Amino acid sequence: AQSVSQHNHHVILSEAASLELGCNYSYGGTVNLFWYVQYPGQHLQLLLKYFSGDPLVKGIKGFEAEFIKSKFSFNLRKPSVQWSDTAEYFCAVVTSGTYKYIFGTGTRLKVLA
Amino acid sequence: SQTIHQWPATLVQPVGSPLSLECTVEGTSNPNLYWYRQAAGRGLQLLFYSVGIGQISSEVPQNLSASRPQDRQFILSSKKLLLSDSGFYLCAWSPIAGVGETQYFGPGTRLLVL
Repeated sequence: AQSVSQHNHHVILSEAASLELGCNYSYGGTVNLFWYVQYPGQHLQLLLKYFSGDPLVKGIKGFEAEFIKSKFSFNLRKPSVQWSDTAEYFCAVVTSGTYKYIFGTGTRLKVLA
Repeated sequence: SQTIHQWPATLVQPVGSPLSLECTVEGTSNPNLYWYRQAAGRGLQLLFYSVGIGQISSEVPQNLSASRPQDRQFILSSKKLLLSDSGFYLCAWSPIAGVGETQYFGPGTRLLVL
C-alpha cells in the first residue's frame, strides 16, 4: 500500500536556526507532492507543491522543498525559522491520475523566540 | 474568492446516536469534495471523495457514510456513532480541472463521542 512517512514528529528550534523536515513516500509511479501547514487556530493550508519540472520548489514564507525521485523524498527546508513558523506540517502525496491523497502523520514544529 | 464552511465546529454526542456533519463550498462550481479524519499522531485519513452530485467513493470501510445532494454540499453521516468515531473531521475541495490538484480545507469539526 502507498504510504507517506514523516520521521520527525516533534521539532523544537530556536529562531534563526535552519529547518529540514523529512518526507518519504512509497510509490514507484508518477506523483504530485505537497506540503501543507496548520498554524494554531487556522485552517490547513498549502505551503508548496510539486507537479513537474524543476525539482526544487519554492513556497510561501521562505520555505522550499526538493523532490529527489531516486530517494522517494520531498524534504521541506527553511534556512532561518521564525517564531511565527510554529505550526504542524504535513507532507502529502497523490498518485497522478487519482483522487486518493495520502498524508503523513505530521510534524509539530515549535520555534522558541 | 472561494470559501469552505463546516458546521458544527464542535460536537459532543453519545455512543449510538446519529451524526450529520455538513460542508459547503462557495465561489466555485463542480468541485471535487473530500472528507478526512485527523487523529492525533496519525495524520489525515481520507474517508470519502466525490467528483459530482451523487457520486461518492469510500476509502475506508466503517460505519460512516457520505452524500452529496447538491453540487457544493457534502454531508458526512452515521446512523450509530462508536467511541472510535471521535476525532477531528475536515472537509476539503479541489478544482475539477484535473486530478491531483491542490486541496483547500475547511475549519473542521471536532467530534467527541462519549
